[in-house]
Amino acid sequence: EPEVTQTPSHQVTQMGQEVILRCVPISNHLYFYWYRQILGQKVEFLVSFYNNEISEKSEIFDDQFSVERPDGSNFTLKIRSTKLEDSAMYFCASTGSNTGELFFGEGSRLTVL
Amino acid sequence: AQSVTQLDSQVPVFEEAPVELRCNYSSSVSVYLFWYVQYPNQGLQLLLKYLSGSTLVKGINGFEAEFNKSQTSFHLRKPSVHISDTAEYFCAVRPWNTDKLIFGTGTRLQVFP
Repeated sequence: EPEVTQTPSHQVTQMGQEVILRCVPISNHLYFYWYRQILGQKVEFLVSFYNNEISEKSEIFDDQFSVERPDGSNFTLKIRSTKLEDSAMYFCASTGSNTGELFFGEGSRLTVL
Repeated sequence: AQSVTQLDSQVPVFEEAPVELRCNYSSSVSVYLFWYVQYPNQGLQLLLKYLSGSTLVKGINGFEAEFNKSQTSFHLRKPSVHISDTAEYFCAVRPWNTDKLIFGTGTRLQVFP
């Protein structure tokens, strides 16, 4: 069964460092998303991406964040200068239609020290 | 603005007992409704969804949910739970005019033998 894959599963970084989280969405999907879940809190929307551009982003997704689809398969989330409060589980998701049935990856846990 | 409330952070239940996980939402526009499950160390998996039509929807693993528009609720039920149903359950809504899912804080279902 096709699935969304994410790498790395866990990354530890120092505050101020750049981090890139990678995702391979399901191959025929067109809509891509990043969500995050701070420990003990709810899953929060970060950004959606369609047709090679951001379609919607949340207040969390400030200038420190960026997304890219560098080729036909990868979808990346970059955090330019990490802060302690960026520590969270980051989930990538994709869907083939906009009816909201998202398929999620297993997440990348980011720990900022 | 939209919000999702899952009043029960934890629900302990014995195997083969029935269970109901509560979800209420508020929204000024029509929404689509979803339940996702997260097993330990895994991503979010769609259990069921309500887009339109019959208010009683059936999902995977014997779960069902009923959309009640007047009470703005979408409670999840299962008549007889198994040990393997132990997981975190998230209710989510997607307003019709936006691209993002809004999640509740989750309910941890713990099934005891």
